[in-house]
Amino acid sequence: DGGITQSPKYLFRKEGQNVTLSCEQNLNHDAMYWYRQDPGQGLRLIYYSQIVNDFQKGDIAEGYSVSREKKESFPLTVTSAQKNPTAFYLCASSILSGTYNEQFFGPGTRLTVL
Amino acid sequence: AQSVAQPEDQVNVAEGNPLTVKCTYSVSGNPYLFWYVQYPNRGLQFLLKYITGDNLVKGSYGFEAEFNKSQTSFHLKKPSALVSDSALYFCAVRAPSGSARQLTFGSGTQLTVLP
Repeated sequence: DGGITQSPKYLFRKEGQNVTLSCEQNLNHDAMYWYRQDPGQGLRLIYYSQIVNDFQKGDIAEGYSVSREKKESFPLTVTSAQKNPTAFYLCASSILSGTYNEQFFGPGTRLTVL
Repeated sequence: AQSVAQPEDQVNVAEGNPLTVKCTYSVSGNPYLFWYVQYPNRGLQFLLKYITGDNLVKGSYGFEAEFNKSQTSFHLKKPSALVSDSALYFCAVRAPSGSARQLTFGSGTQLTVLP
């Protein structure tokens, strides 16, 4: 988990609320990613960013939004449009040059909708 | 499209015995393959990767993986399992070209090492 921090560790949301998950890295990595993890389904890519002020949708972007105003930070907002947001959310980063570089993961945020 | 299959949801092994966690993949071109481990309520930790070269890759904590191109497999192995190896293991594949997002994960295998 070293070098990537996510906060909060646990988050509870009421129906209809937007919530923002924080992700910060001090690894000087260009690329950052958000994944959602559900039991038995592995990790699914929500959004990714290769450079400041640019980001791309992943496989399950509906109901989520992101920003990349700084290289170190890639916050994820779970909007009220996301119909089933209860999940474990993982942020990752990697060196961009060369697609064989491994991704480094943060400790995750567990979001529960009440 | 690329994909990864981890055919076993659960693997149980006795402490001290060898362990194998299976992974098969499908991708266009030569693959980049990764293994990650996840402990409860934690992020994923990188174990090892195959890019090119020797088919036997050695990684962290005594783990190794064997790349088999003809069988499109990348099984994770350890000669002698420890109770502390009990965790969720993910295999992942990336195509050699394309955008940075193209890392596809398997559904995970829960390894339990019994004392």
